[in-house]
Amino acid sequence: SQQGEEDPQALSIQEGENATMNCSYKTSINNLQWYRQNSGRGLVHLILIRSNEREKHSGRLRVTLDTSKKSSSLLITASRAADTASYFCATANQAGTALIFGKGTTLSVSS
Amino acid sequence: EADIYQTPRYLVIGTGKKITLECSQTMGHDKMYWYQQDPGMELHLIHYSYGVNSTEKGDLSSESTVSRIRTEHFPLTLESARPSHTSQYLCASSEFGGEGYNEQFFGPGTRLTVL
Repeated sequence: SQQGEEDPQALSIQEGENATMNCSYKTSINNLQWYRQNSGRGLVHLILIRSNEREKHSGRLRVTLDTSKKSSSLLITASRAADTASYFCATANQAGTALIFGKGTTLSVSS
Repeated sequence: EADIYQTPRYLVIGTGKKITLECSQTMGHDKMYWYQQDPGMELHLIHYSYGVNSTEKGDLSSESTVSRIRTEHFPLTLESARPSHTSQYLCASSEFGGEGYNEQFFGPGTRLTVL
C-alpha cells in the first residue's frame, strides 16, 4: 500500500510565486525525503528531514514535518521556470527494505 | 566523475524478444535498486540488491530478473518481453545503511516500448 501521498496532484503558477506541496504518510517514520523528477528523467534528491526535525531549509526550499499529523510540506520560494518538474516524497517501508514514493505533484511554472 | 548510468535510454522491441537493461554506478555503493514507473504515476520497486550476489524482489511483482556479479553493475533482464512490460525503468543506488537514512541516486531511466 502507498506510504506517501502528495497533494495537490498538479500545480500551475507564475514565475516568482511560491509553490507549496504536501505529503501525507501512514506509518511512523525515521526520515522523510523529497525528490524532483524532470520529465522523462531520473529522480534527484532534494532534501532529507529527520523525524526529530520540524523544519529544514536548503536554498529556496523549505521543508516542514509534522509527525503528529503524519504530514510534510515542501515550499519552493520565488519559483523559476526551471523548477517545472514532478516532486515526490519518500519514506522507508515498514520492513525497512525500501523507499516508498508517492504519486507526486506536477509543478508547472510559466514565465 | 561519480555517476549512475543506464543504457539504452530508449528501446522499442517486438513481443517475445529477450532484453537486458544495463545499469552501472561509479560511486562504490553497495545498495542498488530497480523501479518501474508508468507516465504520471509513482515509482514501484521491483528489485533491489544489498551487495554482490545479493538480489531481492521488491514490492511490485515483476517477470524480470536481475543479477549482481560486480558491485558497480546491476542489469535487469526480461526473457520474453510483452506489451504489458512497456514502462520506464529507473535504476538507483545508495550507500549502505537503513532505508530512508540515505539519499538514493538515480540514473536517467530506460523507456521501454514493447509492440
